[in-house]
Amino acid sequence: EAGVVQSPRYKIIEKKQPVAFWCNPISGHNTLYWYLQNLGQGPELLIRYENEEAVDDSQLPKDRFSAERLKGVDSTLKIQPAELGDSAVYLCASSPDSKRQETQYFGPGTRLLVL
Amino acid sequence: AQKITQTQPGMFVQEKEAVTLDCTYDTSDPSYGLFWYKQPSSGEMIFLIYQGSYDQQNATEGRYSLNFQKARKSANLVISASQLGDSAMYFCAMRETGRRALTFGSGTRLQVQP
Repeated sequence: EAGVVQSPRYKIIEKKQPVAFWCNPISGHNTLYWYLQNLGQGPELLIRYENEEAVDDSQLPKDRFSAERLKGVDSTLKIQPAELGDSAVYLCASSPDSKRQETQYFGPGTRLLVL
Repeated sequence: AQKITQTQPGMFVQEKEAVTLDCTYDTSDPSYGLFWYKQPSSGEMIFLIYQGSYDQQNATEGRYSLNFQKARKSANLVISASQLGDSAMYFCAMRETGRRALTFGSGTRLQVQP
């Protein structure tokens, strides 16, 4: 079974430019998460989707960040315009609709460097 | 207050020895789940082990076991017979009822020495 797929793996952009990250979750996983991981820290939630609905986006900086999950499968996270402080790893994770354990499976992440 | 606290920024262990990575948590939710993930230098987060708050027995998965002490709110990861490939960052995380996202600690970097 294929894991969570993310692209690109690395991205270098200049500040004020837009950038987009793509995630394809594990087949059959209805819940999708985007996390931000700063250097030396644990991941922090940006947004959670249940199918195509964003059900927890309280930590998403909505002035510059946006996300979508059309058709409840793939998801895209966008930053426009990017700032120097956005340099980090952006992790996508998915989980099945199990009510008990709900283990989240992570993709390899996208490492963003804003110059 | 920190929800998940990992007090060991870095740990060293000799190959083939056991090592314990500490994790304490803070929640008033009676139902919660605790997770450990491994993050090698390549960046992916690899799920290791899970412990539910109502589970009577400590979780085990191969060389990984979770020392769950509910009254002390601790969930330490024990790795037995360390291998060089165990060198990585290790994160403790918690999921509380109603918030399906994970709250992570700051991690512990484990280095296994030959």
